[in-house]
Amino acid sequence: GAGVSQSPSNKVTEKGKDVELRCDPISGHTALYWYRQSLGQGLEFLIYFQGNSAPDKSGLPSDRFSAERTGGSVSTLTIQRTQQEDSAVYLCASSMGQFSGNTIYFGEGSWLTVV
Amino acid sequence: QKEVEQDPGPLSVPEGAIVSLNCTYSNSAFQYFMWYRQYSRKGPELLMYTYSSGNKEDGRFTAQVDKSSKYISLFIRDSQPSDSATYLCAMSDYGGSQGNLIFGKGTKLSVKP
Repeated sequence: GAGVSQSPSNKVTEKGKDVELRCDPISGHTALYWYRQSLGQGLEFLIYFQGNSAPDKSGLPSDRFSAERTGGSVSTLTIQRTQQEDSAVYLCASSMGQFSGNTIYFGEGSWLTVV
Repeated sequence: QKEVEQDPGPLSVPEGAIVSLNCTYSNSAFQYFMWYRQYSRKGPELLMYTYSSGNKEDGRFTAQVDKSSKYISLFIRDSQPSDSATYLCAMSDYGGSQGNLIFGKGTKLSVKP
């Protein structure tokens, strides 16, 4: 597809279960970002991948959160032992090359509900 | 004090009104300023991008940056019902952690026909 693709679009999981969220960036985009958007909290940076460089994990809220990017393309965000406070929209974005504010494209998000 | 402050609204205006949306920030290192529009259950889409201080106009939209006051604005002229969305400001210093954007919480705008 032409845009950033995320799956699943909606996920309801029980507290304590692990979840995996997938992001397929725009073809050719070397930078990939994960953000979390909670109700009334705006977008919170989680992690950033740029090419083959070590990812910037400074935004991950706890060691229950991890992400990987295989082959410089698809990325998976994993949340282990989910908690109710993890309920949010998880947004993936990609851009061409080094970060440039006018080329970041967002997916439609994965809506996670932890019950 | 949060790095970026944005009034969450909601803001309701009649069709045709001029809308003013604002953000303040505390980090003087921010150089890149953006406005995103987010429709319900959609991802944010970039509306305007400005580097450093000054104005930028694109159709009905004007973005202003005042770095001396650490204040940015987005003006929407002749507002339309299709402008109803949440507007997020975002900014970056390109330094620190490799260029991640710092977002405001968003202002929810409703334009009534």
